[in-house]
Order: sequence, then structure tokens, then C-alpha cells
Amino acid sequence: RKEVEQDPGPFNVPEGATVAFNCTYSNSASQSFFWYRQDCRKEPKLLMSVYSSGNEDGRFTAQLNRASQYISLLIRDSKLSDSATYLCAANQFYFGTGTSLTVIP
Amino acid sequence: NAGVTQTPKFRVLKTGQSMTLLCAQDMNHEYMYWYRQDPGMGLRLIHYSVGEGTTAKGEVPDGYNVSRLKKQNFLLGLESAAPSQTSVYFCASSSFGDGREFFGPGTRLTVL
Repeated sequence: RKEVEQDPGPFNVPEGATVAFNCTYSNSASQSFFWYRQDCRKEPKLLMSVYSSGNEDGRFTAQLNRASQYISLLIRDSKLSDSATYLCAANQFYFGTGTSLTVIP
Repeated sequence: NAGVTQTPKFRVLKTGQSMTLLCAQDMNHEYMYWYRQDPGMGLRLIHYSVGEGTTAKGEVPDGYNVSRLKKQNFLLGLESAAPSQTSVYFCASSSFGDGREFFGPGTRLTVL
């Protein structure tokens, strides 16, 4: 079983929509969690950290549910520029395979 | 700051050839990593280092070797390339080793 699993998508949403991604992790001892953004043929870039209390950065909200062992990323008012692949990560080393998002005009 | 740099950006090898990928970071990070990314497989850890002079195996270390002689550099070697090593290779570094990683632009390697 993979340490981190996420739905690969693709998610195709209209501009202005709200979209949410979930990611599950298998190791209950995992301490730190992150979301990364990866544009086509580019490197992953850290988007935001995920805390038990939740973390909000503009239109992006990340949350952690330890009881169910999943983290989520919510994007409100989607922009065309949000089109990318979003990877979740647990601790160091463990990344999900990524969820592809395309925002349609 | 350049952040994390990787050379070369692209390379084509024939089966059995060897090569070294160079990663350099100027952020004084202790932790450095080599990943490969393949379609549908995500990022998989090859080797990592927790400091100058240290290296350790990751999830998929076979066929690769690494060295960290200087804190700022992390080298990945392929001694005898195989077509299965065709992939995009990313180097990353981290100050805290907690998952907050900074990635280089990647090296696209094709082994024929």
C-alpha cells in the first residue's frame, strides 16, 4: 500500500468554480503534510503546509483530518492560472501521484 | 539565489553507458534528495542525504549511486544505464527534513 494516495483526476472545472482534492495517508505517525503544485514539464513547488487547525492562503484552504487520515485542498473562485497538477506530501519522501486540474474558460 | 540547479537538463544515453547528474543548492540546506518521476507513478525517492558525507537509500535505489562530498552538491550516478531508467529526475533540498522541499528544474533522461 502506498504511503500517500490521491485521485489522479482529471478535474475539469469552469472558471470561478470551487474544487476540492483529497489525499489519504497510511502512516498514522506522520507529522507534517504539504501541498505542492506542479506545472506541465516543470518541477513541483511548495504551495502550502497543512496544519490540524487548517491553513488558508487567499483562495486556497488546506485541512488535515487525523482521525480519518486524510488531507484536503480547497480552491475557491478557480482561475485559469490554477490549471496544474497538485501533489500532496506526508513528511519527507512521500508524495502522492498528483491530481490534475484544468480550469476551463 | 539560484536555489536548486541541475545539470544537464536533457540527456540521451545508450544502454550500458554511464553518466552523472549534478545537483547544487545555495540555500545551505542539510537535506538533499534525488527523485524520479514517471507517468502514473508519481515521485519516487532514489537516494537521500541528511548532511555532508552521508547518503542513504530510498524506495528505488537499484542501479544508482550517489555522493555528497560537499554540502551544496549531491551527485547521482548511473553506472550502466538501462531503458527502465528513462525518466525525469528531480533533485530537492530541505532545511528541516520535514517535507518542505525545494526542487530543481529536473533532468529528462532517455535511455535507448
